[in-house]
Amino acid sequence: DAGVTQSPTHLIKTRGQQVTLRCSPKSGHDTVSWYQQALGQGPQFIFQYYEEEERQRGNFPDRFSGHQFPNYSSELNVNALLLGDSALYLCASSWGTDRAYNEQFFGPGTRLTVL
Amino acid sequence: AQSVTQLDSHVSVSEGTPVLLRCNYSSSYSPSLFWYVQHPNKGLQLLLKYTSAATLVKGINGFEAEFKKSETSFHLTKPSAHMSDAAEYFCVVSDATRYGQNFVFGPGTRLSVLP
Repeated sequence: DAGVTQSPTHLIKTRGQQVTLRCSPKSGHDTVSWYQQALGQGPQFIFQYYEEEERQRGNFPDRFSGHQFPNYSSELNVNALLLGDSALYLCASSWGTDRAYNEQFFGPGTRLTVL
Repeated sequence: AQSVTQLDSHVSVSEGTPVLLRCNYSSSYSPSLFWYVQHPNKGLQLLLKYTSAATLVKGINGFEAEFKKSETSFHLTKPSAHMSDAAEYFCVVSDATRYGQNFVFGPGTRLSVLP
């Protein structure tokens, strides 16, 4: 089992550009959550996808959007990039969304740098 | 709304001495609580989780945590620190609503282990 995988590992963009990050969940998982981790801070919840729908969303602007595919993989899209979007973007997968005790398994992250 | 406070941003211990990383939470419901560890340039790894079964929870690598509802705390301990324990540690509070699971991270505590 490869666990949660993310691509690319690193990405450099300039302000105003758009970026797409990708995530494949752990085998058997059907829920994907995305987090933004700024340097020296804890991960901040962006949104969660289940059954190809956005189920919950954190305090992030509409520039952040996502998608979940029938095979449960997911994409995070960020439009009109700002310098402040520079961060480590983490994808996490889990099974189901209705249990507080479900562990989330994290990928290694995508390091996005906006110049 | 849920929140997590990690009282120390940085803890430094000598190898072989005990470790205490403090976590306090706020939640309207009976939460589940987790501790994750993040080594440099690596993904988040689950250390242990509390799911209302037993208040003293044992995790990997000799770590333990005790849930104290009256103090709204979930402190992480280890009897004897090892050099490999140097990392960033995150306390997480989780609940679930009909919209999905809500995972809230604390700001993290950086553990340094001195030889």
